[in-house]
Amino acid sequence: DVKVTQSSRYLVKRTGEKVFLECVQDMDHENMFWYRQDPGLGLRLIYFSYDVKMKEKGDIPEGYSVSREKKERFSLILESASTNQTSMYLCASSPWTGQNIQYFGAGTRLSVL
Amino acid sequence: QKEVEQDPGPLSVPEGAIVSLNCTYSNSAFQYFMWYRQYSRKGPELLMYTYSSGNKEDGRFTAQVDKSSKYISLFIRDSQPSDSATYLCAMSPGSGSRLTFGEGTQLTVNP
Repeated sequence: DVKVTQSSRYLVKRTGEKVFLECVQDMDHENMFWYRQDPGLGLRLIYFSYDVKMKEKGDIPEGYSVSREKKERFSLILESASTNQTSMYLCASSPWTGQNIQYFGAGTRLSVL
Repeated sequence: QKEVEQDPGPLSVPEGAIVSLNCTYSNSAFQYFMWYRQYSRKGPELLMYTYSSGNKEDGRFTAQVDKSSKYISLFIRDSQPSDSATYLCAMSPGSGSRLTFGEGTQLTVNP
């Protein structure tokens, strides 16, 4: 079974804090993704990565950065958290070739106060 | 206009009903079609996968793709309370491409 593990299920942070969300996958997948999910807006892609040390902006990258130093790990960084970044954050991974199926972690519910 | 349109519901049905969930899309390049199920406060999990047009059946679930109409459907037969979840459609043009998701339809099956 593919396993995508997100380091925290729930997180509460204060405005202005630097926040790190960690994601690890155990299937040697090349591709990794970070989404946020909000009611009425669905899943929105923040950043993705096709390889180590490589990153591509998604649809809503503003206020976020990412890091991929190892193939299995993809980190999302909120440089200075704001209340409008309160959301459910989902990490996913997929192999480079094949059926293009993405496998998701359980999500991190982040509240910024 | 969104590339993928999905009625967000909510949809409420009695146990045992046949449920039909649908998505329409505008990008004719889409070839890979998926349905994900997401339980409350959990991550999405893959439910059905279809390549190109046609039907696929897995137990009580049937996925249909009509590329000529740019329309995909998920049917749930003999629906159960455990089917209560949000169902998201997703699609992409090719292997390695990013997925485009629908907004998700919230389904409740009442005992």
